[in-house]
Amino acid sequence: EAQVTQNPRYLITVTGKKLTVTCSQNMNHEYMSWYRQDPGLGLRQIYYSMNVEVTDKGDVPEGYKVSRKEKRNFPLILESPSPNQTSLYFCASSRPANSPYEQYFGPGTRLTVT
Amino acid sequence: KNEVEQSPQNLTAQEGEFITINCSYSVGISALHWLQQHPGGGIVSLFMLSSGKKKHGRLIATINIQEKHSSLHITASHPRDSAVYICAVRSLIQGAQKLVFGQGTRLTINP
Repeated sequence: EAQVTQNPRYLITVTGKKLTVTCSQNMNHEYMSWYRQDPGLGLRQIYYSMNVEVTDKGDVPEGYKVSRKEKRNFPLILESPSPNQTSLYFCASSRPANSPYEQYFGPGTRLTVT
Repeated sequence: KNEVEQSPQNLTAQEGEFITINCSYSVGISALHWLQQHPGGGIVSLFMLSSGKKKHGRLIATINIQEKHSSLHITASHPRDSAVYICAVRSLIQGAQKLVFGQGTRLTINP
């Protein structure tokens, strides 16, 4: 089954404790992206990757890091989480970003930073 | 002003009613997506279109490129259609193709 998986689905952590949210897709997609969703603000892009070893900042990259060492995986790293990073996070993938291909979303990760 | 505006923000209707959700955008686009987000949080792609009209079951999506407007219609609405519907446009911004999202329309269908 074609899918995007994220782990963990729910996470409660404390300020400053480094964490990683994993994202994996099994569709051999070149393009992967991370979004956060906040009430009243909608979905906003954090980082995206056009292909392996190619990543770039989205609209709200501060406080986040990513890496793309393999085509299928695109982890989101919070080196020192803060309460303003409490949010619902989505990973998504698609065929090349320069063509209008359908986006596939992961199930979401609900993160709470206290 | 947001680049993608949806209306209405909230919509409550009775089962069986015909539903229309609107999306207007102000940027040049290569495609427009309609997404559905159920209360559990997961996001599903309903349609991707760059012209004309698409139909899938009781859902119909249309787009008018000249007017920069798209509509999502639901015929014979059902309580299971209750969800947030999100319009997103794919646009070239600062040299990169990006998705720009609307704020979403929360639809509630009462039995």
